[in-house]
Amino acid sequence: NAGVTQTPKFQVLKTGQSMTLQCAQDMNHEYMSWYRQDPGMGLRLIHYSVGAGITDQGEVPNGYNVSRSTTEDFPLRLLSAAPSQTSVYFCASSFDSVWTDTQYFGPGTRLTVL
Amino acid sequence: KQEVTQIPAALSVPEGENLVLNCSFTDSAIYNLQWFRQDPGKGLTSLLLIQSSQREQTSGRLNASLDKSSGRSTLYIAASQPGDSATYLCAAPDSNYQLIWGAGTKLIIKP
Repeated sequence: NAGVTQTPKFQVLKTGQSMTLQCAQDMNHEYMSWYRQDPGMGLRLIHYSVGAGITDQGEVPNGYNVSRSTTEDFPLRLLSAAPSQTSVYFCASSFDSVWTDTQYFGPGTRLTVL
Repeated sequence: KQEVTQIPAALSVPEGENLVLNCSFTDSAIYNLQWFRQDPGKGLTSLLLIQSSQREQTSGRLNASLDKSSGRSTLYIAASQPGDSATYLCAAPDSNYQLIWGAGTKLIIKP
C-alpha cells in the first residue's frame, strides 16, 4: 500500500512553460485535493474532486487545471507557468469528505518557476 | 468566515516534559478539528480528528480536546521525545469544502 504518491519531487520551469504534476493513490479514496504551501500563507486549496469525473475549484484555482478520469489519479496541470506559482504542491486524498474524514497527504512537489 | 490561529509560533522544551499546543477558531459551528504534523521537507501526517460531537480524541501519547463554546482546541503531548520535533498544524473545514489552516507551531524537543 503506497498511499499517496506524487511525481516529480522537484521541478524547475521557465516562465511560460507548461507541465503536469502527477498524483496517485491506491486506497480507493473518492476524495482528492491539491494544495499549495507558501511561507506565511499556509496551505491553500487549488482544486478538489469528490469522485471520478467530478472536480471543483478551491481558493486559488487560477492558472491550474485538473481532471479526474479514474479514482486513482488526479493530475494538476500548470498551463503557463509564472514565478508566482513557485511553491510546494501537495496532493491529498480521503475516503470521505473533509467534513467527516481526515486527509492523507503525499510527500509534495517543490516547484520553482524562473 | 472561519479563521484558525495557533499560538505560539514556536516552542522549545526539554525531553520528557508534557506540553500543550493551542489552536483557536472563530466559528463555533465547526464540522471537525484536525491536527497534523509536518516534518521538514515532508508531507503532512494526520494525527487526530475530533468530530463536532466529540470532546476529545486520544492516540498513544497524544490527546486532543475540542471546546466549541470557547473556540479552542488543544493538543497534549505526554512525555515528549526528540522524535516529536516537527511543525504541528490544526485545521477546520468550512462550508466550501476548504480546510482552513492555522500557521502552525514549530516544536523543538531538546535531548
